[in-house]
Amino acid sequence: AQSVTQPDIHITVSEGASLELRCNYSYGATPYLFWYVQSPGQGLQLLLKYFSGDTLVQGIKGFEAEFKRSQSSFNLRKPSVHWSDAAEYFCAVGGGGGNKLTFGTGTQLKVEL
Amino acid sequence: KAGVTQTPRYLIKTRGQQVTLSCSPISGHRSVSWYQQTPGQGLQFLFEYFSETQRNKGNFPGRFSGRQFSNSRSEMNVSTLELGDSALYLCASSFSGTGGAGDYGYTFGSGTRLTVV
Repeated sequence: AQSVTQPDIHITVSEGASLELRCNYSYGATPYLFWYVQSPGQGLQLLLKYFSGDTLVQGIKGFEAEFKRSQSSFNLRKPSVHWSDAAEYFCAVGGGGGNKLTFGTGTQLKVEL
Repeated sequence: KAGVTQTPRYLIKTRGQQVTLSCSPISGHRSVSWYQQTPGQGLQFLFEYFSETQRNKGNFPGRFSGRQFSNSRSEMNVSTLELGDSALYLCASSFSGTGGAGDYGYTFGSGTRLTVV
């Protein structure tokens, strides 16, 4: 069965500081990996996705993620955080035509001014 | 193009009632999935429809059902509502949902917030 672990429930960073959100997955084949962001009361917005190829994926809003098969990880990074990045971030795994995304429990990001 | 539209945005129902939620996918998208989001259980997959057929189903009781129409619009229904059904219900659309590299990024709607009292 597929699963996703986001070990950090809450993270606080100062505006302008770098950010890394951790994600580990379990999947029997080549995974499709995603990062979504959710603002309070809103739906999920796709930040980036990985299917194959280059293991460093660029997304929207200056985010990037690196797929490391050996570590079963897909960590999200941003070099300089803005106050508007405060939100909840979800890592998800899917694939193989199952048409089902399995989400992690999310990481709540707080940005201190 | 227009995004995924979910109606209504908010809903308050009484225990024992039933409710129907609607989702209009992005034009041209044929796959619609539903997810339930609660503080305790997080985001959980309910079911996925493609061309009016349910292709995949999560681990929810039979009180949760859905359907998809020929125009790809989808509805989900919850019968005999329980307090624990209070949640944000999210719909996501995809062109085919087959896992193809160019397609597999699901686009989510803003959700329907259901409160059962």
